[in-house]
Amino acid sequence: NAGVTQTPKFQVLKTGQSMTLQCAQDMNHNSMYWYRQDPGMGLRLIYYSASEGTTDKGEVPNGYNVSRLNKREFSLRLESAAPSQTSVYFCASSGGHDNEQFFGPGTRLTVL
Amino acid sequence: GQSLEQPSEVTAVEGAIVQINCTYQTSGFYGLSWYQQHDGGAPTFLSYNGLDGLEETGRFSSFLSRSDSYGYLLLQELQMKDSASYFCAVRGTGGFKTIFGAGTRLFVKA
Repeated sequence: NAGVTQTPKFQVLKTGQSMTLQCAQDMNHNSMYWYRQDPGMGLRLIYYSASEGTTDKGEVPNGYNVSRLNKREFSLRLESAAPSQTSVYFCASSGGHDNEQFFGPGTRLTVL
Repeated sequence: GQSLEQPSEVTAVEGAIVQINCTYQTSGFYGLSWYQQHDGGAPTFLSYNGLDGLEETGRFSSFLSRSDSYGYLLLQELQMKDSASYFCAVRGTGGFKTIFGAGTRLFVKA
């Protein structure tokens, strides 16, 4: 099992460009999450999907959109990137009663 | 609103015991989790408390008191590899929305 995979691992964008971060899990989990982590800080929830077909806003959803394409895949889109969106983005999934979340390796995004 | 507080840094010596505290304020509470993150890596799950009391997993234990909105992570027989950041996280409204603390950086010295 690959667990949670994310692409790309690194990305540099110019202000105003758009891009989609891809995430997939092979653990048959119902719930998936997108977080951002800034230097020296904790993870902040951008969006989550409790189950296939549903998405909800987290703490910091402005500037982002998500799509739960199917049970396996949950993508994050930046429509018009801004320097404030420079961060490390983590995707996670969970399926147990304890909500143990399994994280992908992260995408390191720089917006110039 | 929702917030979690934990110390920013803790230093301890190899072989010692260290406790990392976490206090929280949330609208709705479904459980407290702890995650470990090494520099450059992804967070990994350590433990979960849904009910009051102590949960033990090897060298790590976690405690929860819902009446005090307080929990802690206890690390015993510290090893150099335990040097990492530790995050508490609360499941809030609906049971899926998860809020993380800012993290505690643990330095283990020889």
